[in-house]
Amino acid sequence: DIVMTQTPLSSPVTLGQPASISCRSSQSLVHSDGNTYLSWLQQRPGQPPRLLIYKISNRFSGVPDRFSGSGAGTDFTLKISRVEAEDVGVYYCMQTAQLPLTFGGGTKVEIK
Amino acid sequence: QVHLQQSGPGLVKPSQTLSLTCAISGDSVSSNNAVWSWIRQSPSRGLEWLGRTYYRSKWYNDYAASVKSRITINPDTSKNQFSLQLNSVTPEDTAVYFCARWGAGWAFDFWGQGNLVIVSS
Repeated sequence: DIVMTQTPLSSPVTLGQPASISCRSSQSLVHSDGNTYLSWLQQRPGQPPRLLIYKISNRFSGVPDRFSGSGAGTDFTLKISRVEAEDVGVYYCMQTAQLPLTFGGGTKVEIK
Repeated sequence: QVHLQQSGPGLVKPSQTLSLTCAISGDSVSSNNAVWSWIRQSPSRGLEWLGRTYYRSKWYNDYAASVKSRITINPDTSKNQFSLQLNSVTPEDTAVYFCARWGAGWAFDFWGQGNLVIVSS
């Protein structure tokens, strides 16, 4: 199984300041079709996860442009350019390149 | 817009069967462009993918090794929904269970609201 490792576990951020979350996979997420299937999810308290980013850097419909994804191979990053109060929650990376699908352990974004 | 509505009991006795249903609106369980999955979340295991069903000229299923001997995911085309059955449950199966659509971007783009299922006598 592909292990997804996220850092940090927690990220206290001042409103309006940037935040960055790292995700590392134990194997390359490049699929045989040439695409890299790494996505980012946001989970607010009491809510199901919500898709933010797919295939490393593509924002899902309705996701604000302050969210961006980057990376390649086994190392990926989610950045929030200016954190807003509604961004509080837990962020997960996940891979859909290979079965079984696996998730990172999560990074909690909170306001200082 | 796709909407997934989950239903099922919140309490299951040990050794019995956990059954949940996910009703789909805005898409078809028989779509050639979607894959339908069950995922669970617990403090001890985090987010855990359980399995999927999808139609590509015929029906396919894949399951996580951790539950493969106990799980069945079935589509119901007449009601446009899919279901999860997990047999011989133990307290370790206590979790919030989600259904989700794996869409064209190869990511889980729509999720059900979640069901907390507690396994206890």
